[in-house]
Amino acid sequence: SAVISQKPSRDICQRGTSLTIQCQVDSQVTMMFWYRQQPGQSLTLIATANQGSEATYESGFVIDKFPISRPNLTFSTLTVSNMSPEDSSIYLCSVEGGSEPEKLFFGSGTQLSVL
Amino acid sequence: QKEVEQDPGPLSVPEGAIVSLNCTYSNSAFQYFMWYRQYSRKGPELLMYTYSSGNKEDGRFTAQVDKSSKYISLFIRDSQPSDSATYLCAMRSYNTDKLIFGTGTRLQVFP
Repeated sequence: SAVISQKPSRDICQRGTSLTIQCQVDSQVTMMFWYRQQPGQSLTLIATANQGSEATYESGFVIDKFPISRPNLTFSTLTVSNMSPEDSSIYLCSVEGGSEPEKLFFGSGTQLSVL
Repeated sequence: QKEVEQDPGPLSVPEGAIVSLNCTYSNSAFQYFMWYRQYSRKGPELLMYTYSSGNKEDGRFTAQVDKSSKYISLFIRDSQPSDSATYLCAMRSYNTDKLIFGTGTRLQVFP
């Protein structure tokens, strides 16, 4: 399985500001995924990030709110823009399992609180 | 109706008990089924993966899939306090990378 480092691990932010979350993988991966985990709700896929192309967003998520960068095969960032308290959540990056692409592995997550 | 339904718990059991965690789903296209364990302030960790009906065993863990009933289970034998965590079921269909997750069941094993 891949080793995924995600930072920051937690942050408290003011309404209207933006936060960029970084995800670093110890091996090259084709696709990286960003999820949101709200209290009492399922993990929800925000977008899929392929290196060299624009991210693909799921219904209900837009690039202006959640811009994603994928500059190389081991790194991605997710920005939560113009935050409101409704954005308070855990944000997780994940990657496929290399030789077992059907399996998904997760970083430790970023706990975001917006005041 | 959600695609995947999972009882949120919490489920509290004594050490040594057999634990049964369950999910139901509505999409008959789901082919791959997974169970993740998530400790507090950590990301989900893949526990079990299966793609066929029947049972798959790994140590104290057994994953069971019944596609005809659209029902999956995770059994934990001889449960330990270290098993205390939230357990998430997840599944996807053959032609997509998108995983659909249950809401998770919080399990507490007390000594």
